[in-house]
Amino acid sequence: KQEVTQIPAALSVPEGENLVLNCSFTDSAIYNLQWFRQDPGKGLTSLLLIQSSQREQTSGRLNASLDKSSGRSTLYIAASQPGDSATYLCAVVHGGSQGNLIFGKGTKLSVKP
Amino acid sequence: DAGVTQSPTHLIKTRGQQVTLRCSPKSGHDTVSWYQQALGQGPQFIFQYYEEEERQRGNFPDRFSGHQFPNYSSELNVNALLLGDSALYLCASSPLGTGVETQYFGPGTRLLVL
Repeated sequence: KQEVTQIPAALSVPEGENLVLNCSFTDSAIYNLQWFRQDPGKGLTSLLLIQSSQREQTSGRLNASLDKSSGRSTLYIAASQPGDSATYLCAVVHGGSQGNLIFGKGTKLSVKP
Repeated sequence: DAGVTQSPTHLIKTRGQQVTLRCSPKSGHDTVSWYQQALGQGPQFIFQYYEEEERQRGNFPDRFSGHQFPNYSSELNVNALLLGDSALYLCASSPLGTGVETQYFGPGTRLLVL
């Protein structure tokens, strides 16, 4: 059974810091991995999607890496801003499925001005 | 282009009642998935609809049922509500008859069961 774990559960940093969020999954037979952002009480916004054949994806100040063999992904946020404060969720699509996402519990990020 | 829309935004019900939540997918998307997110948890997959059929189902009881209409919109029905059904219900859509592309989420419906 695929399980997704995110560490740390919460993180507080001063504005301007670079930071890394971690995601691990137990079964390497994934189709892809997505990182989402969720603001309090809101829906999910897709940030980056990495196909299983890819090693990383970049969008602006965000960079996500994938090491499928070790079951790990990281989300790197450069020069953090208070507007980055949110919960960040990692989710995988298991290989052979029709695309149901399996989520971690998320990392709650707070960026202090 | 309107993204994924959901209605209502909030709902309060009492135990034993029934509820229907609605979702309209992003334009051009034909696959709709539903997720339940309890407070402080990641979303849990309920089921996925494609071509008006339930194609996949997560570990949820039969009290949870759904429907997809010819215009690809979808409903989630929950019967005999329990306190534990209180959660944010999220709808996600994706194109091409598969969920393996980027899934786009709606704002969710917050259900409170008293």
